[in-house]
Amino acid sequence: AQTVTQSQPEMSVQEAETVTLSCTYDTSESDYYLFWYKQPPSRQMILVIRQEAYKQQNATENRFSVNFQKAAKSFSLKISDSQLGDAAMYFCAVIQGAQKLVFGQGTRLTINP
Amino acid sequence: GAGVSQSPSNKVTEKGKDVELRCDPISGHTALYWYRQSLGQGLEFLIYFQGNSAPDKSGLPSDRFSAERTGGSVSTLTIQRTQQEDSAVYLCASRFQAGTSTDTQYFGPGTRLTVL
Repeated sequence: AQTVTQSQPEMSVQEAETVTLSCTYDTSESDYYLFWYKQPPSRQMILVIRQEAYKQQNATENRFSVNFQKAAKSFSLKISDSQLGDAAMYFCAVIQGAQKLVFGQGTRLTINP
Repeated sequence: GAGVSQSPSNKVTEKGKDVELRCDPISGHTALYWYRQSLGQGLEFLIYFQGNSAPDKSGLPSDRFSAERTGGSVSTLTIQRTQQEDSAVYLCASRFQAGTSTDTQYFGPGTRLTVL
């Protein structure tokens, strides 16, 4: 079974600074995909970034980047130049095949002005 | 070019009543998923539809829960004889490409169900 662990229930960062959210996972598969989703108070889950496990290069989307360590089964999210609109719950998730996403417990990110 | 839509946005019901939650996926998306988000359990998979294949119901918590997808598009999640522990946000997601995990699941805004 796949599991995802987010060890930081809450994080805070000053506006314009950088923050890293941690995620570790467990899977027996060699081919899988990893995601970070953002959930603001509106409840809508929004895709932030995704990573294919077979790709060694870390994914990057504007201010968001990941540090993917396959051997360590670690998938952290770095947010650079934090903005007030980044405040939300962030969920790490893994999927293998066409089936369900398995989510971590989430990290609540607060941005301090 | 609408995204995934869900209705109602909020639903308050009394214990023992039946409820129906609706999901309209993105047009052309062949896969549809239901998840439940509750304080105690986090985000849990409930059921997955893929084209005309039999749905994967492995996440449904009890036989009070059922779901159908008509015409490969709209889906309805039904909870019979609701209990207070059913209170949660029910999220629907859809995905485009069949048979591969390379495509992202896009989520709707969810339905918040409160059982009194």
